Amino acid sequence: AQTVTQSQPEMSVQEAETVTLSCTYDTSENNYYLFWYKQPPSRQMILVIRQEAYKQQNATENRFSVNFQKAAKSFSLKISDSQLGDTAMYFCAFMKYSSNTGKLIFGQGTTLQVKP
Amino acid sequence: DADVTQTPRNRITKTGKRIMLECSQTKGHDRMYWYRQDPGLGLRLIYYSFDVKDINKGEISDGYSVSRQAQAKFSLSLESAIPNQTALYFCATGGGVTDTQYFGPGTRLTVL
Repeated sequence: AQTVTQSQPEMSVQEAETVTLSCTYDTSENNYYLFWYKQPPSRQMILVIRQEAYKQQNATENRFSVNFQKAAKSFSLKISDSQLGDTAMYFCAFMKYSSNTGKLIFGQGTTLQVKP
Repeated sequence: DADVTQTPRNRITKTGKRIMLECSQTKGHDRMYWYRQDPGLGLRLIYYSFDVKDINKGEISDGYSVSRQAQAKFSLSLESAIPNQTALYFCATGGGVTDTQYFGPGTRLTVL
């Protein structure tokens, strides 16, 4: 069975600084997808970034980028130039490529506070 | 307008009551999902549906049932609510099996 672990329950960063959120996962699959979702105080789950395991290039979306280390089963999220609106809970999630359910397996979440 | 909507946004009910949470989507997706979020546990899959005639149990389906009334509508019912069903419930949709899932705004359910 696949598991996703986020070992940092809470983090904080000063506005305009850079922060990295950690995520590790356990799987015997070779092909899969990884995601980072953001949940601000509004509760809405918002997709931040998606990575296909077969792609060696790390995904980027504006100020958000990932460091995907397949051999180490690590998928960290880097937020550059942090903004107050980045304050949220961040969830790492895994999906098997061969999934016939589309089931997402989530980590426990990391609460990020951006301080002015 | 939001692509995935959920009603109600918040609900407080008593033990033993029947509760229905509703989800509607305008994305035209075939696949719909119900997840439950608990502190420290992330989100866990309750039920999922590939089309109107296809309903499947997720990892924590006990105590829940669902109905797919149309491609765009997927409801979650608690036949007899209990306090440990107090949680945040999310509906999500996806266009294909491994497509990105889009979430609704969530329903905060409290069972007293």
